[in-house]
Amino acid sequence: QKEVEQDPGPLSVPEGAIVSLNCTYSNSAFQYFMWYRQYSRKGPELLMYTYSSGNKEDGRFTAQVDKSSKYISLFIRDSQPSDSATYLCAMSASSNYKLTFGKGTLLTVNP
Amino acid sequence: GAVVSQHPSWVICKSGTSVKIECRSLDFQATTMFWYRQFPKQSLMLMATSNEGSKATYEQGVEKDKFLINHASLTLSTLTVTSAHPEDSSFYICSARRQGGDQPQHFGDGTRLSIL
Repeated sequence: QKEVEQDPGPLSVPEGAIVSLNCTYSNSAFQYFMWYRQYSRKGPELLMYTYSSGNKEDGRFTAQVDKSSKYISLFIRDSQPSDSATYLCAMSASSNYKLTFGKGTLLTVNP
Repeated sequence: GAVVSQHPSWVICKSGTSVKIECRSLDFQATTMFWYRQFPKQSLMLMATSNEGSKATYEQGVEKDKFLINHASLTLSTLTVTSAHPEDSSFYICSARRQGGDQPQHFGDGTRLSIL
């Protein structure tokens, strides 16, 4: 079993839709959870950064962490064509700062 | 902000040459920088962790003599691919973590390396 599982998609939605992206993990030591957005031929851009369980909202983006289920989510409201990218979940334990990434989900928002 | 600049963005060179890639944190000091490699349609693979003023820590399977890392200041780390060969062609990405507290990694825009 991989440490972090993420459905690679591709996921295609119409403009304005609510998008739900998810990752599951197996390592209970993970404490820090991140979502990155990566456009083609660019580096990952940090979208959300959360510690332990709970919700965090930033504009159209909401991140949820459920440590009891080892499950994290990213919701995108009112999706836009500019949101079309690969979304990577990443996580790390508190004792070091090496990130473990999911494989990434390719999202296309159609106008 | 937390801006990480990577240079060059794209390099093409002949087999056998050495290539140096720079990673700079522009608006913050980074005690730790990371170097990743990414193959097409795959996730990032950590190559090494670079701490300012000390030797880099390499991941298993990464050749230290092949991928030389120097982190001479709190804002600059370099990756040198020595005697590059076509199989070293890849997308190399650095990240930097701001010093102090629990800080996330911020990534550069990557360097596309093509070895002919």
